[in-house]
Amino acid sequence: SAVISQKPSRDICQRGTSLTIQCQVDSQVTMMFWYRQQPGQSLTLIATANQGSEATYESGFVIDKFPISRPNLTFSTLTVSNMSPEDSSIYLCSVITPGEKLFFGSGTQLSVL
Amino acid sequence: AQSVAQPEDQVNVAEGNPLTVKCTYSVSGNPYLFWYVQYPNRGLQFLLKYITGDNLVKGSYGFEAEFNKSQTSFHLKKPSALVSDSALYFCAVRDPNQGGKLIFGQGTELSVKP
Repeated sequence: SAVISQKPSRDICQRGTSLTIQCQVDSQVTMMFWYRQQPGQSLTLIATANQGSEATYESGFVIDKFPISRPNLTFSTLTVSNMSPEDSSIYLCSVITPGEKLFFGSGTQLSVL
Repeated sequence: AQSVAQPEDQVNVAEGNPLTVKCTYSVSGNPYLFWYVQYPNRGLQFLLKYITGDNLVKGSYGFEAEFNKSQTSFHLKKPSALVSDSALYFCAVRDPNQGGKLIFGQGTELSVKP
C-alpha cells in the first residue's frame, strides 16, 4: 500500500491568487496524478505528473493554469493559478503502486471567494 | 474513447438486505476496473480491482464485484448491507495501453436505512 500525505486539507482563497498543493508519498512510485472533483460531480483527471519532465495535461487543462512539479519519485505539487470561484473544488493526488493499486490522498478542499 | 457509466444516481436499501451498485464500461482492449468509496469530507478509499483472472473479485469491507465481459459490466455487490456502508461509490476504468489514468463514473449515492 501507499500512504499519501496531501496538504493543505482545505483553504479559502481570494480571487486572483494562487495556491500550491503538496502531495508526499511514503514510498517511491512511478506514476502520480492530479484529479479535480467539482461540487457534486465525479473526478476528472487534470494531469499526469512526470518525474524529471513536464506534466502531461488532459484536454481542457493547461500548464499556465495548473503548473505541476515532480522533483522526485515521492513528491509532487499542483498550483492553481489566478484563481476564480469556478476553481472551487476538491483536488486530489493519486499514485499507482507496483501492485496496480491506485491510492488517493485525502484531498484539498478549495473555496475561492 | 473510454467511458464509465453508473446508471443510478442513488441506491436505497434496507440494512441486512443485499445491495448492488451498477457499473458498465466502454474501453478498447482488456480494461482494468476499480471501485472506490468516498465518505463525506474524506478522500477516496480503494475497495477492489479487477485486472485478470477470476471474474468474481473480493474486496474490502465485505464488498465484491463481478466482471462480465460480454455485458461490459462490473457491478459492485454486498450480501448484507450495513448502515455504515452509506457513502458515495465510484466505478473507474483504466486502459493499460493509455498510461495510468483513471476514467471515473459519475458516482452512485448508496443509502442504507436501519
